[in-house]
Amino acid sequence: GAVVSQHPSWVICKSGTSVKIECRSLDFQATTMFWYRQFPKQSLMLMATSNEGSKATYEQGVEKDKFLINHASLTLSTLTVTSAHPEDSSFYICSAATGVNSPLHFGNGTRLTVT
Amino acid sequence: AQKITQTQPGMFVQEKEAVTLDCTYDTSDQSYGLFWYKQPSSGEMIFLIYQGSYDEQNATEGRYSLNFQKARKSANLVISASQLGDSAMYFCAMREVWTGTASKLTFGTGTRLQVTL
Repeated sequence: GAVVSQHPSWVICKSGTSVKIECRSLDFQATTMFWYRQFPKQSLMLMATSNEGSKATYEQGVEKDKFLINHASLTLSTLTVTSAHPEDSSFYICSAATGVNSPLHFGNGTRLTVT
Repeated sequence: AQKITQTQPGMFVQEKEAVTLDCTYDTSDQSYGLFWYKQPSSGEMIFLIYQGSYDEQNATEGRYSLNFQKARKSANLVISASQLGDSAMYFCAMREVWTGTASKLTFGTGTRLQVTL
């Protein structure tokens, strides 16, 4: 089946630093990838849609300058949390679909802790 | 705007019994897709089952079946013969009309299922 790999699985960083999270589709090409955020015991909230070769589409309320998304190839999208603060601590998870009408396949997520 | 409602924050079921997890949705789209995902404590999202709005038959995948009642806008997940490994968070999700590229999912708040001996 389709595999989405996300790295790192967890990261601890100091306030003010930037963190990059990678999302790769291992056995298929993904024109579009999605980045979700999940706070403890809450649901997944869509942050942005990452489109290969073009700018990401951000959901309302998500700061595009803080959460930089780059989708440079058909198999890789990156999310960079810039100038991280403790309130950015969360579980970030990416997803991609193999094609029309196929389910989204998710990476294993990245648990970010900002101290 | 789409909305997914899961009214059961937590459920208990005895091993080998069946359990139904409720999901209702609200959409003005005629074409949509409904999904169920399982999220164990480790965090990954595992796809379980899919139902298209035009599918006449209820979807089934092994021990999972989806009780789709379009007029009532409900898409309940039925897990038969529960196993201890089924203990996890379960999310219902809906996808917007497919526009030619991948469409985003909107998730419900989830139901935590605990399977007991």
